[in-house]
Amino acid sequence: KQEVTQIPAALSVPEGENLVLNCSFTDSAIYNLQWFRQDPGKGLTSLLLIQSSQREQTSGRLNASLDKSSGRSTLYIAASQPGDSATYLCAVSQTGNQFYFGTGTSLTVIP
Amino acid sequence: DTAVSQTPKYLVTQMGNDKSIKCEQNLGHDTMYWYKQDSKKFLKIMFSYNNKELIINETVPNRFSPKSPDKAHLNLHINSLELGDSAVYFCASSQRKGEYTEAFFGQGTRLTVV
Repeated sequence: KQEVTQIPAALSVPEGENLVLNCSFTDSAIYNLQWFRQDPGKGLTSLLLIQSSQREQTSGRLNASLDKSSGRSTLYIAASQPGDSATYLCAVSQTGNQFYFGTGTSLTVIP
Repeated sequence: DTAVSQTPKYLVTQMGNDKSIKCEQNLGHDTMYWYKQDSKKFLKIMFSYNNKELIINETVPNRFSPKSPDKAHLNLHINSLELGDSAVYFCASSQRKGEYTEAFFGQGTRLTVV
């Protein structure tokens, strides 16, 4: 069964720093990997989706990479801002109808 | 328009009661889900429906019964609520597009059983 792990569980950085969030998964037979953001008391907002055939995706200050063979993905956030403070979740899609979630990384950006 | 909407947003109820959470998606997706997010923020799938047919039913007490009247709706009915059912429940939908499947989530329903 697919297991998804995210490291670190929590991260606190000063504003302006670049940072990397890590996601690892045990079964490399995936359709795609999706990064989400969750603000306190809110739902999940999709940030980036990487197809299994892709290596990376970029959106603004966010860059996500995927190394399917090693079961790893990273989310790079450039020039972090206080508004980036949230919980970041990665999810892998297998069989196209189930998403396995990681344990999340709680990010705090200090002004 | 909200892509995936669920109601109510908050639900406080007593042990032993029966309650329902409704979910609707206007994306035209074939697959809908219910996820449970526990106090540690971990999201675990409960059910998955494809074109109104149940395709995934994880180890969930049979007090939880999903109902899909059509492919745009997936409701969750919970009987005999217990304290341990307190959590945030998320509805989601997805559609396979070629080599990928993207999920969209509702805003969640915070259920508190007292």
